[in-house]
Amino acid sequence: GESVGLHLPTLSVQEGDNSIINCAYSNSASDYFIWYKQESGKGPQFIIDIRSNMDKRQGQRVTVLLNKTVKHLSLQIAATQPGDSAVYFCAENNGMGNYGQNFVFGPGTRLSVLP
Amino acid sequence: ETGVTQTPRHLVMGMTNKKSLKCEQHLGHNAMYWYKQSAKKPLELMFVYNFKEQTENNSVPSRFSPECPNSSHLFLHLHTLQPEDSALYLCASTPGGANTEAFFGQGTRLTVV
Repeated sequence: GESVGLHLPTLSVQEGDNSIINCAYSNSASDYFIWYKQESGKGPQFIIDIRSNMDKRQGQRVTVLLNKTVKHLSLQIAATQPGDSAVYFCAENNGMGNYGQNFVFGPGTRLSVLP
Repeated sequence: ETGVTQTPRHLVMGMTNKKSLKCEQHLGHNAMYWYKQSAKKPLELMFVYNFKEQTENNSVPSRFSPECPNSSHLFLHLHTLQPEDSALYLCASTPGGANTEAFFGQGTRLTVV
């Protein structure tokens, strides 16, 4: 049969506006979360992380919010720029202790910045 | 440049071929990973190696065979693949310990014909 690609949610924002990308995670025991950015032809690039004992963390132009009650993460990008256009993934660490990380990734959101 | 280098960047192989993907990290990390990124599914963890020992095999078919000769190098040996194995294969590494970010390579775009 015909193959169907993964349908990514798309967020289109005007250059200079703020962007909010949302993510739902599945494991209430996850204690570490990361947002990655992936540009075309490249591997995922770390943006910001947050541990479960926090509900907000800020970086340069980015803020991550964690709501453990509803298992929800969001990434806020201030003053969105054309270079922010990419696919954004959230990842939760299901944990392997000191034997490595077991990141479970969301499907991703494609951010398009309009001039 | 993340310090994780993958070769080749692109690979086309027939279903009867045998090929290998290579990953090298220059970060002094202890754990290395193979992920698969296809058009149909989110990023999927395939294998985890910690201090050269395999600590996770995420129900990956035996036509994918990983090898980790030391903490800096990771290989993925491929044989008798299927067209549905066409995907971007990403290598990543993390330092020792829990809850640290993963550093990804650029990936190998694999096409099975």
